[in-house]
Amino acid sequence: AQTVTQSQPEMSVQEAETVTLSCTYDTSENNYYLFWYKQPPSRQMILVIRQEAYKQQNATENRFSVNFQKAAKSFSLKISDSQLGDTAMYFCAFMKYGGATNKLIFGTGTLLAVQP
Amino acid sequence: DAGITQSPRHKVTETGTPVTLRCHQTENHRYMYWYRQDPGHGLRLIHYSYGVKDTDKGEVSDGYSVSRSKTEDFLLTLESATSSQTSVYFCAISEGGSSYEQYFGPGTRLTVT
Repeated sequence: AQTVTQSQPEMSVQEAETVTLSCTYDTSENNYYLFWYKQPPSRQMILVIRQEAYKQQNATENRFSVNFQKAAKSFSLKISDSQLGDTAMYFCAFMKYGGATNKLIFGTGTLLAVQP
Repeated sequence: DAGITQSPRHKVTETGTPVTLRCHQTENHRYMYWYRQDPGHGLRLIHYSYGVKDTDKGEVSDGYSVSRSKTEDFLLTLESATSSQTSVYFCAISEGGSSYEQYFGPGTRLTVT
């Protein structure tokens, strides 16, 4: 069975600074996807970034980038130039590639507060 | 935004009463999911559907049943609600296969007193 671990329940960062959220996972699969989801106070789940395990290049979406270390089973999220609107709960998630049902397995989340 | 709605958005009910939550999509996606979100647990899969009348259990299915009689609707039923089922419930949809992205509904906050 796959597990996803987020060891930082809460983090805080100053506006315009950079912050890194940690995620580790455990799986025996070789092909899979990893995701970061953002959940602002509105409660809506928003996909921030995704990484295919077979790709060596780290994914980047504007101010969001990941550091994917497959051998270490680590998948951290870096947010650059933090903005007040980045305040949210962030979830790391795993999906087995090629599975018929595309089930997501989530970590417990990191609550990020961006301070003005 | 993907066309997913959930109803009701908020509900308070008493222990022992039946409750049905509805998820409705306008995307014609094959896969639909029900998750619950609890502090310290993230989101956990309750049940999912891979087609009309085709459903299967997730990791926390005890006390819940589902039905999908048409593509657009996925119902989650708590036959006899308990306080441990107080949670926020999310529906998600996916085209499935190589299209891996899941789109989430706005959530339903259920309180069982």
